[in-house]
Amino acid sequence: DAMVIQNPRYQVTQFGKPVTLSCSQTLNHNVMYWYQQKSSQAPKLLFHYYDKDFNNEADTPDNFQSRRPNTSFCFLDIRSPGLGDAAMYLCATSIRGNEQFFGPGTRLTVL
Amino acid sequence: AQSVTQPDIHITVSEGASLELRCNYSYGATPYLFWYVQSPGQGLQLLLKYFSGDTLVQGIKGFEAEFKRSQSSFNLRKPSVHWSDAAEYFCAVVADTGGGNKLTFGTGTQLKVEL
Repeated sequence: DAMVIQNPRYQVTQFGKPVTLSCSQTLNHNVMYWYQQKSSQAPKLLFHYYDKDFNNEADTPDNFQSRRPNTSFCFLDIRSPGLGDAAMYLCATSIRGNEQFFGPGTRLTVL
Repeated sequence: AQSVTQPDIHITVSEGASLELRCNYSYGATPYLFWYVQSPGQGLQLLLKYFSGDTLVQGIKGFEAEFKRSQSSFNLRKPSVHWSDAAEYFCAVVADTGGGNKLTFGTGTQLKVEL
C-alpha cells in the first residue's frame, strides 16, 4: 500500500544533542510537510517542500532544519534540541497542495 | 488570514448516540475544508473533505459533514457513535499559497464515548 512512513516512531535524545527524524513516501507526491504537535494541541507547520523549493514558516526556530534529497525522502534536523522541543513530529505529503496524507509521527523525548 | 474555530474542547457521548462536532472557519475565498481524526499516539487520518459541489459530504467510518457558507460552518456528524470513535478530531482549512497549500487547524475536539 502507498503510504507515508516515519522513522523512528520513538526517539529519545539528550539536551543539545543533534537529532534527525526521517520521513519517506511511496505516494510520489510533490509536496512534503513537517509539523510539530505538542500535547493536546493542533499540529503546527514548521516548513514544507514544494518539489525542491523549501518554504520555511516565519516563526520556525533556526534550530530546525530540513533536507529533501529526492522526491521520496524528507528529513527533519534539530541541531540542538531543548526541553521545549519534546513533541510529536508529523510528516505529511500532498499533490500540488491538495489533501494531505499524514505519517504515524515520531514522538521525540528530550532528556 | 484564515482561521478555524472548534468551540468544543471536550465532548462526551454515549455509544449509539448521535454526534455533532462544530467547526467555524474564517476565509475570504471559497475554502477547502477537511476533518481529520487522530487516535492517541498516531498520525492524522482524513475523514472527509469539501472542495466544491454538494454541500453534504460523506466520509469514512460513517461520518458526514455539511458546508454552510452563510454560517461559515463545516460541522461533522455521525448518526450512531461507536466506542472506537473515541479520538481527537481536527477541522482544517487550506489557504492557497501558490507554493503548496497549507492547512490551518482548529484546536481540536476530544471525543469520549461512554459505554
